Amino acid sequence: DGGITQSPKYLFRKEGQNVTLSCEQNLNHDAMYWYRQDPGQGLRLIYYSQIVNDFQKGDIAEGYSVSREKKESFPLTVTSAQKNPTAFYLCASGGPNEKLFFGSGTQLSVL
Amino acid sequence: QKEVEQNSGPLSVPEGAIASLNCTYSDRGSQSFFWYRQYSGKSPELIMFIYSNGDKEDGRFTAQLNKASQYVSLLIRDSQPSDSATYLCAVNSVRTGTASKLTFGTGTRLQVTL
Repeated sequence: DGGITQSPKYLFRKEGQNVTLSCEQNLNHDAMYWYRQDPGQGLRLIYYSQIVNDFQKGDIAEGYSVSREKKESFPLTVTSAQKNPTAFYLCASGGPNEKLFFGSGTQLSVL
Repeated sequence: QKEVEQNSGPLSVPEGAIASLNCTYSDRGSQSFFWYRQYSGKSPELIMFIYSNGDKEDGRFTAQLNKASQYVSLLIRDSQPSDSATYLCAVNSVRTGTASKLTFGTGTRLQVTL
């Protein structure tokens, strides 16, 4: 099956803890993205990557970090510096036709 | 600050009627426009895209674009209860290499009643 796999589906973070959200795609897309969605709000771009070993900050990158060591993988780390991490996190990938396809999302909550 | 505005709703339409969802955007240089459907607790799913002024039809869905008025809309004909969801408008005004930095609206919640 072609698609984007996010894990885990639910994640809980303790105070001061870093947590990592996984995103894997087998669509052979160059570009990958991380968005955050809060209740009643639109999607906000955290980070994006156009190619392996390259990534750029989005609109709300503070408190987050990413890596792109493989074309298929784009993990997101929510660091302890992110003081309000509770949100629905969405990973997406896109080909040259500008269409973005999303994974199933990870709901992150604070204990 | 690029903005995409949508009425949050809920927009309530009876089954079989036409649902009309609207979106305005602030960046006149925007080139590409997308509609995503999002069911509660699920991820967005691309249902329509449009690049040129005018109408684009795909099954029960029609996207309409008016760049002069900075307005894009989505019409859903013969609305079904399964169409009940939040519809997100997304606009791409910046294309950086292979990346598309979409700006999303907050979405309009559609309720199709029996």
